[in-house]
Amino acid sequence: ENVLTQSPGSLSLSPGERATLSCRASQSVSSTYLAWYQQKPGQAPRLLIYGASTRATGIPDRFTGSGSGTDFTLTISRLEPEDFAVYYCQQYGSSPYTFGQGTKLEVK
Amino acid sequence: QVQLVESGGGVVQPGRSLRLSCAASGFDSAFTFSDYAFHWVRQAPGKGLEWVALISFDGSDKYYADSVKGRFTISRDNSKNTLYLQMNSLRAEDTAVYYCAKGSSSSNFDYWGQGTLVTVSS
Repeated sequence: ENVLTQSPGSLSLSPGERATLSCRASQSVSSTYLAWYQQKPGQAPRLLIYGASTRATGIPDRFTGSGSGTDFTLTISRLEPEDFAVYYCQQYGSSPYTFGQGTKLEVK
Repeated sequence: QVQLVESGGGVVQPGRSLRLSCAASGFDSAFTFSDYAFHWVRQAPGKGLEWVALISFDGSDKYYADSVKGRFTISRDNSKNTLYLQMNSLRAEDTAVYYCAKGSSSSNFDYWGQGTLVTVSS
């Protein structure tokens, strides 16, 4: 099983600031099969980024995914109030399709 | 716009069974329910996401998390645009919100239902 470890576990920032979220895999992940999801309280996850760097439909360009191999990053360039949520990375290249434990992005 | 609606959750005693359903709609004329793989993903209260099971577009291939293998069965009825999860021998640790999710052509999970809560308790 490919274990994904996200850091930090939580991040306190202010609107307008830049957020950098990390996802490290225990085994190499093809960039084709790395995704990021956003989840707000009481809601289902929403696909943000797939293929490590491709924004899903309707996702604003302040969200940027990057990385390869075992290290991936989600960057939110200028935080908007609606961006405060929990973010999960996921590898979907092979079963089991594992998720990271999540990074909670909080308002400072 | 694809919509996924789960149902069938509830409170069940340990050792009992429950079947979840996920009704899909909103496909266009070019691609239909039967063109896509589907997944079940769960989230225990206050915890992260855990992938549970995958079924291929035609139902011929199925994969499971080790935590549910041998107890849960994923299936689909393409004539009804519906995905199922049969859960047997339920345990307290199966308590979670269960989401169905559509696999995109790029294999990521591009549409999710709102989830259905399963509580396993005596």
